[in-house]
Amino acid sequence: KAGVTQTPRYLIKTRGQQVTLSCSPISGHRSVSWYQQTPGQGLQFLFEYFSETQRNKGNFPGRFSGRQFSNSRSEMNVSTLELGDSALYLCASSLARGPSYNEQFFGPGTRLTVL
Amino acid sequence: SQQGEEDPQALSIQEGENATMNCSYKTSINNLQWYRQNSGRGLVHLILIRSNEREKHSGRLRVTLDTSKKSSSLLITASRAADTASYFCATDGSNYQLIWGAGTKLIIKP
Repeated sequence: KAGVTQTPRYLIKTRGQQVTLSCSPISGHRSVSWYQQTPGQGLQFLFEYFSETQRNKGNFPGRFSGRQFSNSRSEMNVSTLELGDSALYLCASSLARGPSYNEQFFGPGTRLTVL
Repeated sequence: SQQGEEDPQALSIQEGENATMNCSYKTSINNLQWYRQNSGRGLVHLILIRSNEREKHSGRLRVTLDTSKKSSSLLITASRAADTASYFCATDGSNYQLIWGAGTKLIIKP
């Protein structure tokens, strides 16, 4: 089975721009979660999508949004980029809803640099 | 905010030795998970232990959970160079989300 894939792997943007990251989960997995990882804050939960609906959201501003398509693929969007948004963005998929109850399979991440 | 805190922050041992890392958390949990992250394989799930379980094994890994002390430990026996990585514990947040600790950096010296 193919693993979780994320595109692009690396991205450089400037402040004020917007960015869209993509995640394809493992075939058959319906839950997709997004995380931000930085040296200062560590790993932080952004949101979870299940059956095309956002099920819960972490403590991030509204500039961070996402969606999930009928094939379970997910995208996350960050608008009006700030320097502090520079991070590794990780996507994870699981069979069932609820990251804390289910093994999460992670993609390689997208390294976003905001200049 | 972080629920779990790993201890130590960094650990360096000789290949073949055992490595133990600890995770403490603040509020009651339903489940606790351990993950490993290295540059080669990214973030990988190791073990999920439920609050009614006290110990779980997977190959050379042993995880214990003490809910009365709000702590968990991960033991890696007979360490190998490939075990060099950061290890994270993650616990329940509200509405099934995962709350992560800061991680323990483990270095295995040849």
